[in-house]
Amino acid sequence: ELKVEQNPLFLSMQEGKNYTIYCNYSTTSDRLYWYRQDPGKSLESLFVLLSNGAVKQEGRLMASLDTKARLSTLHITAAVHDLSATYFCAVVKTSGSRLTFGEGTQLTVNP
Amino acid sequence: GAVVSQHPSRVICKSGTSVKIECRSLDFQATTMFWYRQFPKQSLMLMATSNEGSKATYEQGVEKDKFLINHASLTLSTLTVTSAHPEDSSFYICSALNRDKETQYFGPGTRLLVL
Repeated sequence: ELKVEQNPLFLSMQEGKNYTIYCNYSTTSDRLYWYRQDPGKSLESLFVLLSNGAVKQEGRLMASLDTKARLSTLHITAAVHDLSATYFCAVVKTSGSRLTFGEGTQLTVNP
Repeated sequence: GAVVSQHPSRVICKSGTSVKIECRSLDFQATTMFWYRQFPKQSLMLMATSNEGSKATYEQGVEKDKFLINHASLTLSTLTVTSAHPEDSSFYICSALNRDKETQYFGPGTRLLVL
């Protein structure tokens, strides 16, 4: 059974600071996704990472994937209040299409 | 980008009634759609995989007779919560798998409250 674990589950940070959210998974995977969810809303796709060493950046967010370590990171640079949301990673097993989600990281950026 | 809609966005019903939720892929054909349930402050849990023209595949612990799924066309899947009870109150989200089989597009979700 594929397990996906995120760390930390809760993160409170000040504006302007940097931080990293970690996503570990338990078996080989074809693809890893990062999503953002605002309260009461559905998921917004942020990144899809397809291969070992993949790095993608959008604004203050950068995601990377290490398939050998079965680890993905979501790095936040110079956080701003608008980044406050819950962030999920999700993994697809090799040759599959089902997403398995991590528990989510609730990020609060304080002024 | 691809768009997935859900209807209704919000529904309140009495205990014992049935509620149907529609999930549509608006600008692409989706042979596979997924139904998720999310309780407050929790992650998304896959309920079932819906394949066009065939029976849905349910995850362990999900009652197929209670959560009826019909994927009658390449752009529409429906989830019917039969004889709803207060514990069925949740946020239901569907997603549709694009033909590249790599990208799931999520609907906006349906919030169900059973009184």
